[in-house]
Amino acid sequence: ILNVEQSPQSLHVQEGDSTNFTCSFPSSNFYALHWYRWETAKSPEALFVMTLNGDEKKKGRISATLNTKEGYSYLYIKGSQPEDSATYLCAFLNAGNMLTFGGGTRLMVKP
Amino acid sequence: DGGITQSPKYLFRKEGQNVTLSCEQNLNHDAMYWYRQDPGQGLRLIYYSQIVNDFQKGDIAEGYSVSREKKESFPLTVTSAQKNPTAFYLCASSRREAYEQYFGPGTRLTVT
Repeated sequence: ILNVEQSPQSLHVQEGDSTNFTCSFPSSNFYALHWYRWETAKSPEALFVMTLNGDEKKKGRISATLNTKEGYSYLYIKGSQPEDSATYLCAFLNAGNMLTFGGGTRLMVKP
Repeated sequence: DGGITQSPKYLFRKEGQNVTLSCEQNLNHDAMYWYRQDPGQGLRLIYYSQIVNDFQKGDIAEGYSVSREKKESFPLTVTSAQKNPTAFYLCASSRREAYEQYFGPGTRLTVT
């Protein structure tokens, strides 16, 4: 079983704060790195699929970077809002086509 | 509306009984997946299928079985051999295996 780790496990921030969290994954046999947002009582929704070393993707106030050589990805949220409260999951896809999820970072944004 | 449906939302079974969880998608996706989530843990892959009539074991396939007779459907059977079946089960699909996955609403199974 591949080791995909996310840190921190949980995070409390004030509305307006910017924040970031980390996903680390094996640097060998890399194919893609996915980020998902999972809000309470909803299904996980895809944020980004990243495939190239050095990739940077952005969606509104959320952005992500990818370093496949050292095996990590950062997710950034600028000016956090209460509606950003969710669990953020990363998932590593290897060349064998199996997606392995990290444990998630639970973000709570206080108004 | 395109999407993935899972039914039922909550399911209760007695120990020793097999139970089948339904997953249907109308997104015309080739690949489908079953995950399990336990409290405090991430999603773990049970089985996945990249094409009709073919499927592969994930990390925790023991005690589970699947079929993929139609592109739209990927039912999961939790057998009596699964030692800890109580969990939240999520089904997902994607165009191909490398693409983003779309998730269903999940089924919470409780076995007593």
